[in-house]
Amino acid sequence: TQLLEQSPQFLSIQEGENLTVYCNSSSVFSSLQWYRQEPGEGPVLLVTVVTGGEVKKLKRLTFQFGDARKDSSLHITAAQPGDTGLYLCAGGGASGGSYIPTFGRGTSLIVHP
Amino acid sequence: SQTIHQWPATLVQPVGSPLSLECTVEGTSNPNLYWYRQAAGRGLQLLFYSIGIDQISSEVPQNLSASRPQDRQFILSSKKLLLSDSGFYLCAWSLLFGENTEAFFGQGTRLTVV
Repeated sequence: TQLLEQSPQFLSIQEGENLTVYCNSSSVFSSLQWYRQEPGEGPVLLVTVVTGGEVKKLKRLTFQFGDARKDSSLHITAAQPGDTGLYLCAGGGASGGSYIPTFGRGTSLIVHP
Repeated sequence: SQTIHQWPATLVQPVGSPLSLECTVEGTSNPNLYWYRQAAGRGLQLLFYSIGIDQISSEVPQNLSASRPQDRQFILSSKKLLLSDSGFYLCAWSLLFGENTEAFFGQGTRLTVV
């Protein structure tokens, strides 16, 4: 059973569209990270959220941590082809346990020009 | 600034041959170190993690082993590779401060066992 469930698994959209991807769990996390990975490369950290209800913005990307710290979302406004990649969420400190980062299976995003 | 180096970038090995992948971190001390495997561009499976020299924890029983002979060096090994060992291997490091578990990854090694 995956500790972190990501949805959708795949997303194919046109340039300029908006999208939201989700990261859900039944466990409470102390912190949650979002990463983007391009083919053949390692994941790159985008953001960390720590406080329940926290919202962080990174240019056209908006990250939100759920009030109960069990879920998170990533919203991209006016997607561009450069946003194409695998988006991974990861969390640590689940329900007061290990701080080893645990990853979801990712959302694979393709933005067509 | 901190950097992580992982090599080689690609590797093709015959079944039954040994494996050694190396990862080094610069610019930090006492990092937590991790080996992950990723199949088909999907999520990351944690294989090993280490909180210090010669302190290795295995998450999944398998044909692989890990060693940490120095503070900033992490090695993934196998005595005899299986076809099922093919995949994309990622080394990462993190520092535990507070409850933050941000991880920083190497470029990965694409291993193909033939």
